[in-house]
Amino acid sequence: DGGITQSPKYLFRKEGQNVTLSCEQNLNHDAMYWYRQDPGQGLRLIYYSQIVNDFQKGDIAEGYSVSREKKESFPLTVTSAQKNPTAFYLCASSQQFATNEKLFFGSGTQLSVL
Amino acid sequence: DAKTTQPPSMDCAEGRAANLPCNHSTISGNEYVYWYRQIHSQGPQYIIHGLKNNETNEMASLIITEDRKSSTLILPHATLRDTAVYYCIVRVGSGNTGKLIFGQGTTLQVKP
Repeated sequence: DGGITQSPKYLFRKEGQNVTLSCEQNLNHDAMYWYRQDPGQGLRLIYYSQIVNDFQKGDIAEGYSVSREKKESFPLTVTSAQKNPTAFYLCASSQQFATNEKLFFGSGTQLSVL
Repeated sequence: DAKTTQPPSMDCAEGRAANLPCNHSTISGNEYVYWYRQIHSQGPQYIIHGLKNNETNEMASLIITEDRKSSTLILPHATLRDTAVYYCIVRVGSGNTGKLIFGQGTTLQVKP
């Protein structure tokens, strides 16, 4: 089945530790995105990538980093600089980065601080 | 700035139509209206989108007013599995700079 796979489902981070969230898609989509969702809130854009080897900051990029070395993969690293990392993280993709393209979402990763 | 306004919550009886309103009074001429829904602790699911004409698919209908300042998502026969948070989103920007900005959405509770 085609889709987006996020792993792990649950992740725990210790103080001062970097953690990486995985996002893989087999939809052959050019564009990929990372969103953060806090309880009772909507989604906020962290980073997005229009095409392989390219990415741009979203609205809340501080404390996060990404890479896009392969078309199908867009991992997100939550660094120790992110002081409030506890949230639900969602990865998405679209065929192109255009105004009439719909997003396909993964099932999310819940990150908590120990 | 989500650019859309939705009621925080709504109830609907099972089997009846659910009509979810959305205001987007500052929408630009080339900005699409999207609807997604999210069931607790899952990723959002695409429902439908439109520019200015009404749209219908197997999940729902989208009615956009002529001035495009508001729209309504219609689930024709709501079931208990339609209980979710529904997001009305305007895609900000144009061309290759557009991005979806999610607000807080409407929590729809379908009751038996």
